[in-house]
Amino acid sequence: DTGVSQDPRHKITKRGQNVTFRCDPISEHNRLYWYRQTLGQGPEFLTYFQNEAQLEKSRLLSDRFSAERPKGSFSTLEIQRTEQGDSAMYLCASSLAGSHTEAFFGQGTRLTVV
Amino acid sequence: AQSVTQLDSQVPVFEEAPVELRCNYSSSVSVYLFWYVQYPNQGLQLLLKYLSGSTLVKGINGFEAEFNKSQTSFHLRKPSVHISDTAEYFCAVQSGGSNYKLTFGKGTLLTVNP
Repeated sequence: DTGVSQDPRHKITKRGQNVTFRCDPISEHNRLYWYRQTLGQGPEFLTYFQNEAQLEKSRLLSDRFSAERPKGSFSTLEIQRTEQGDSAMYLCASSLAGSHTEAFFGQGTRLTVV
Repeated sequence: AQSVTQLDSQVPVFEEAPVELRCNYSSSVSVYLFWYVQYPNQGLQLLLKYLSGSTLVKGINGFEAEFNKSQTSFHLRKPSVHISDTAEYFCAVQSGGSNYKLTFGKGTLLTVNP
């Protein structure tokens, strides 16, 4: 296992289209996180799963965003009716359960909405 | 709510010079502090973390950081930098109320010149 894997690495889409990103965490990690990073900013927390349960969603995650982790393994993040403001790097991370365990990040999916 | 301020957006230094990247945090409860590094086209990698105990924390690649509760700071230092240390560095905090969600600063771009 080489770490957290994200697909695709880059996505260009037209405004109004739907996009879906995939994240494959480190296999034994039961926690999975999505973050968004815009230019000149640090990553911002979007949502968190423990196994298949989505336990927290940020207010940044509007109704157009939905994340799933159906079998407690890989996760998908879907954005419906994309807007130019959705252009960002979407980062996935995973960790073991427990307090303050290290989060391992993937390389991210860079979304450009034109 | 917690927040993180990285006082310098860019820090240029010459190879073999010492460097300090500054980080201040605010939180109304106990905090746990992290430094992550992001190399170009890579995911974030944990450099070091402070959870409790000794306020001087040593991390990978020769970096260290000191937790100062009275000054609410967690500055990152390296006595002698290499060209390969050129990267974006992010300070992050977890508050006592969450043992998994990271709040990041905006990042500091360290550029090491020959």
